[in-house]
Amino acid sequence: EAGVTQFPSHSVIEKGQTVTLRCDPISGHDNLYWYRRVMGKEIKFLLHFVKESKQDESGMPNNRFLAERTGGTYSTLKVQPAELEDSGVYFCASSQVFYTEAFFGQGTRLTVV
Amino acid sequence: GNSVTQMEGPVTLSEEAFLTINCTYTATGYPSLFWYVQYPGEGLQLLLKATKADDKGSNKGFEATYRKETTSFHLEKGSVQVSDSAVYFCALRALGGATNKLIFGTGTLLAVQP
Repeated sequence: EAGVTQFPSHSVIEKGQTVTLRCDPISGHDNLYWYRRVMGKEIKFLLHFVKESKQDESGMPNNRFLAERTGGTYSTLKVQPAELEDSGVYFCASSQVFYTEAFFGQGTRLTVV
Repeated sequence: GNSVTQMEGPVTLSEEAFLTINCTYTATGYPSLFWYVQYPGEGLQLLLKATKADDKGSNKGFEATYRKETTSFHLEKGSVQVSDSAVYFCALRALGGATNKLIFGTGTLLAVQP
């Protein structure tokens, strides 16, 4: 069974540009989470989808970040326009039901220059 | 609010040395506690967990005991190997609420030298 897959693994963009990160959860997992780790600090929660609905988006830093999960399958996280402080590693995780273990992807390292 | 504090790294040890990585937490109620590990070039993996006070989680020779009286969940291993070199994250999941989100510490880089 394939794990959580994230694309791309690395992205380097200039300040002001747009970047879209993609996450493919484990098949059949209704719950999908985005997290990020900035500058070697703690991994912080961004948001949680249940199927295509946003269950909790309290961690989204500002309106430059837009997450979607059309059809309840893969999810995208768009940053527009990107700022220097958005650099970090963005992790996606999925779980089958609410309180079961979440499986993480390998992360996307975003560098904004 | 809920938070996790873990010891800063990097931690550098020789092979077969004893490892302790300290983790303390602040939470209302009785959270579940976790240790995740990120090996170089890989994603986060669940290493072990404990869901109630005095539970001991264990995996791959690592252990951690949920201590409610000291609000701690320290990670230990009796004899580390070079292959244990990784970043270790302590995390909690609070009960209740509308989401299943994890709250992580800052991570501790472990480097094991042969």
